Amino acid sequence: AQKITQTQPGMFVQEKEAVTLDCTYDTSDQSYGLFWYKQPSSGEMIFLIYQGSYDEQNATEGRYSLNFQKARKSANLVISASQLGDSAMYFCAMFTVQGAQKLVFGQGTRLTINP
Amino acid sequence: NAGVMQNPRHLVRRRGQEARLRCSPMKGHSHVYWYRQLPEEGLKFMVYLQKENIIDESGMPKERFSAEFPKEGPSILRIQQVVRGDSAAYFCASSRTATNYGYTFGSGTRLTVV
Repeated sequence: AQKITQTQPGMFVQEKEAVTLDCTYDTSDQSYGLFWYKQPSSGEMIFLIYQGSYDEQNATEGRYSLNFQKARKSANLVISASQLGDSAMYFCAMFTVQGAQKLVFGQGTRLTINP
Repeated sequence: NAGVMQNPRHLVRRRGQEARLRCSPMKGHSHVYWYRQLPEEGLKFMVYLQKENIIDESGMPKERFSAEFPKEGPSILRIQQVVRGDSAAYFCASSRTATNYGYTFGSGTRLTVV
């Protein structure tokens, strides 16, 4: 079975600082994809970044980067130069070939950016 | 080029009533997925449909819940005889093909059972 673990229920960070949100995953599948989504207070799910299990380089999308450590089964999200608008829930999720089109989500981390 | 459209955004039902949630996939997308998010939790897979077919309903509760994606029109998630525990956000997503690269979510329907 596939599982995503996010161990930080809440994080508080000063504006302009970098922040790392932790995500570890468990799967026996060799082929999988890892995702991060942002859910602001308005409730929608916003796709941030994707990392494939065979990708050799860490994914980056603007201020977002994914620190992918395959041997440790971790896929941490790094947000550089945090902004007040980054305050939201953040979810790590995983696809596997065996999981057949199903995304498995972690419990989420609530990030609060302080001015 | 509209994204995944869900309606209504908010739905209030009394215990015992029926709830119908609608999802119009992105243009050209024939694969639809429904997820449920209970308060303070991540999303959990419910069902995966293609046009006129249920592909995987392993996440659907055995009773009172059903889903369809007809040849014409939106996908419908139907909850009969709602109970307080059904209160949640229900998200729909769509993709053009079966994909392992993720898909785009709609804005969700927030169901409140009173």
